Formats: sequence, C-alpha cells, structure tokens
Amino acid sequence: AQSVTQPDIHITVSEGASLELRCNYSYGATPYLFWYVQSPGQGLQLLLKYFSGDTLVQGIKGFEAEFKRSQSSFNLRKPSVHWSDAAEYFCAITRGSQGNLIFGKGTKLSVKP
Amino acid sequence: DAGVTQSPTHLIKTRGQQVTLRCSPKSGHDTVSWYQQALGQGPQFIFQYYEEEERQRGNFPDRFSGHQFPNYSSELNVNALLLGDSALYLCASSRRGGGLYGYTFGSGTRLTVV
Repeated sequence: AQSVTQPDIHITVSEGASLELRCNYSYGATPYLFWYVQSPGQGLQLLLKYFSGDTLVQGIKGFEAEFKRSQSSFNLRKPSVHWSDAAEYFCAITRGSQGNLIFGKGTKLSVKP
Repeated sequence: DAGVTQSPTHLIKTRGQQVTLRCSPKSGHDTVSWYQQALGQGPQFIFQYYEEEERQRGNFPDRFSGHQFPNYSSELNVNALLLGDSALYLCASSRRGGGLYGYTFGSGTRLTVV
C-alpha cells in the first residue's frame, strides 16, 4: 500500500537558520509528490510539487525540495527560516494525475526568535 | 478569484445526529474531493466527485456520503455521528487530473460531536 512517512513530529529552529523537513514514501513507481503548509485552524496551501524532470524543484516562500528516487525521499528545504514559517508541513503523494492525495502525519515547525 | 469556500466554519452536533457540510470549488475547477483531518493527524481521503458522480472512495463507512451539483459545488453528509467523527473536514477542488494540475483546499469545517 502507498504511504508517506514524516519522521519528525516537531522541529524547532532559530530564525535565520536553515531548515530541512524529511519525507519518505512507499509506492511501486514514482508518484506525484507534494508539500503543503497549514497554519493553525486553516486549510492547506501548496508549496511545491514534483512530477518529473529536474529533481530539484522550487516553490513559493523560498522553499525547495529534492526528489531522490534511490532513497524514496522528497525532503523540503529552506536556507533561512522566518518567524512566519511557523506552521505544520505535510508531504503528500498521488498515484498519477487522477489519484487522491495520501498525506504523511505532518511536521510541526516552531521558530525561535 | 474566489478560492474554495466551505460552510459552515464550525459546528457542534450531538452523537447520533446527521450533518451536512458544503463546498464551493475554485472557479474553473470541476472536481471536488473531501478529506477528514483528525487532531494531530494528516488529512485522510474520504471521496472524490466528478461529473456529479463519486469517482474514488477512501476507507470510510457508508455513513459518509456526498453529492455534487451541476455547478460543481458539493456536499458531504455524515449520518449517525460518532464522537470519533470530530475533526476538521477539508474540501479540495481541482481540474480533472488534480494530481497534475494541483489541488486547492478550503479552510475547512471544524465538526465537534458531543
């Protein structure tokens, strides 16, 4: 069965520090890959997505993610975190263009001043 | 350009009651999916509607049902509410083939069952 694992439940970083959020997936082929962000009490906003091609994808708000097929990973990175980045981050996959989203359990990001 | 609109934003129901949640998709989108997000969890797929028919369904009981109208808006109905149905219910709209074009989420309906 397809699944997404986000190993870190909660991460705290200092403002201005770099960030990497981990995501691993289980799927028989290369899925479509997504990162979403959710602020408290809000819906989900798409940060970036990967379908094919260049394995380093750029998203909104200065985020990027790298797809590594050999590791079944799609880690999210940001070189310098801002206090407004504090939120919950979800990695998700779909089985092709028609599939529904399968989410990980999320990583909560706290930012220290 | 209006995004996905969900109503109501919050509601409280008693165990055993029935509830209807509503979703208006983003302009230009024809597919609506519903997700349940329990506290501290990632969203779980309930079902997807396209052309007024249920096209895909997740692992949810028949107490969960839906409908899509000709204007692409959608309703989620839950019968015989259980305490465990308390969650944030998210609606996501897309063009057909949402995995390729991306899904737009609403802010959700917070359902509390007491």
